[in-house]
Amino acid sequence: EAGVAQSPRYKIIEKRQSVAFWCNPISGHATLYWYQQILGQGPKLLIQFQNNGVVDDSQLPKDRFSAERLKGVDSTLKIQPAKLEDSAVYLCASSLAPGQNSPLHFGNGTRLTVT
Amino acid sequence: DQQVKQNSPSLSVQEGRISILNCDYTNSMFDYFLWYKKYPAEGPTFLISISSIKDKNEDGRFTVFLNKSAKHLSLHIVPSQPGDSAVYFCAAIYSGGYQKVTFGIGTKLQVIP
Repeated sequence: EAGVAQSPRYKIIEKRQSVAFWCNPISGHATLYWYQQILGQGPKLLIQFQNNGVVDDSQLPKDRFSAERLKGVDSTLKIQPAKLEDSAVYLCASSLAPGQNSPLHFGNGTRLTVT
Repeated sequence: DQQVKQNSPSLSVQEGRISILNCDYTNSMFDYFLWYKKYPAEGPTFLISISSIKDKNEDGRFTVFLNKSAKHLSLHIVPSQPGDSAVYFCAAIYSGGYQKVTFGIGTKLQVIP
């Protein structure tokens, strides 16, 4: 079984620039998550999709962050404009369904540095 | 508001001994708990879980204990091996709503050969 694929692995941008991350979940996984992990902290959920619909984006800074999941498969997360405090690892995860019977499978993440 | 707390940022254990990683939670609505393990430059991987209706779950060298009254869980690794050196995240789910997974900040375990 192929894992969750993310690209790019690393990205360095200047503040006020824009950036996009891509995620391809495990085939057949209906639920897709984007997490932000700042150095020294645990992963924080930014947005959760069920198929191509958003079920939780309560912690997504919507003035600068956006995400979409077209056709219920791949997803992109965009930041525009970036701030210094957006420097973090952005993790994509997928699961068969939300909840306790379906553990999250994570990609290796994209490390974003904003200078 | 940190609903899942891991108060020990790091832990060093001798190979062959027991590693005990602790986790506390504040939200009494959480009813399912998980441990994830993370190596550098990789995403977290699922390790073991426990439902709130149980107080213990065992999988090989890994055992998770849950004390609901104290809102505390722990992960025991026996015997510890150098390959267990990683960051361990405690996570919790509330099965109502969107079943969001909430993570702690992690504990870095070093197993010394």
